Amino acid sequence: DQQVKQNSPSLSVQEGRISILNCDYTNSMFDYFLWYKKYPAEGPTFLISISSIKDKNEDGRFTVFLNKSAKHLSLHIVPSQPGDSAVYFCAALLNNAGNMLTFGGGTRLMVKP
Amino acid sequence: DVKVTQSSRYLVKRTGEKVFLECVQDMDHENMFWYRQDPGLGLRLIYFSYDVKMKEKGDIPEGYSVSREKKERFSLILESASTNQTSMYLCASSLGTGGNLYQPQHFGDGTRLSIL
Repeated sequence: DQQVKQNSPSLSVQEGRISILNCDYTNSMFDYFLWYKKYPAEGPTFLISISSIKDKNEDGRFTVFLNKSAKHLSLHIVPSQPGDSAVYFCAALLNNAGNMLTFGGGTRLMVKP
Repeated sequence: DVKVTQSSRYLVKRTGEKVFLECVQDMDHENMFWYRQDPGLGLRLIYFSYDVKMKEKGDIPEGYSVSREKKERFSLILESASTNQTSMYLCASSLGTGGNLYQPQHFGDGTRLSIL
């Protein structure tokens, strides 16, 4: 039973438009949520995180929104660029579980020039 | 920059073989992790270690073991490889958590393992 789910396996967006990647979770005890980005033949790289006590965190073109009542978070990329084409993984952390992350299945984003 | 190095990018082994996957990090991180990545399932944690000679089971430890004799090195062992262990294996490391401060995990580039 997956505790973190990304229901869209792929997303295609035009360059310059907004990309919205979604993630749902079931465990209300998660303390942190993170997004990782993965290019082919490379390991995932950390992109942005949000604490469960916040509802928004912004870093340049990337913004993560957290809706705790809906157990939902989303990553917004504005404006999208072709270099953003990658697989994006949502992950969640329980503080009392050390540094263990629970990952979603990933969403492949394709940004068309 | 943190460097996590996995010894092989591609590996082909036969069913029943004992397989060793090696991972080395150069940032003196306390925590090290082994994941496998399969389509649609994301990354699933196999084992992790928060100190030398310490190990903890992750979500899918069956068929695997690990070894951490030195802080910088974390080895994943497939005791008797089977075809369902064909996958992408990813190693990661991170600083030990200090209070509530989250420390991001840094990943290696992965080893694509095929068991024939």
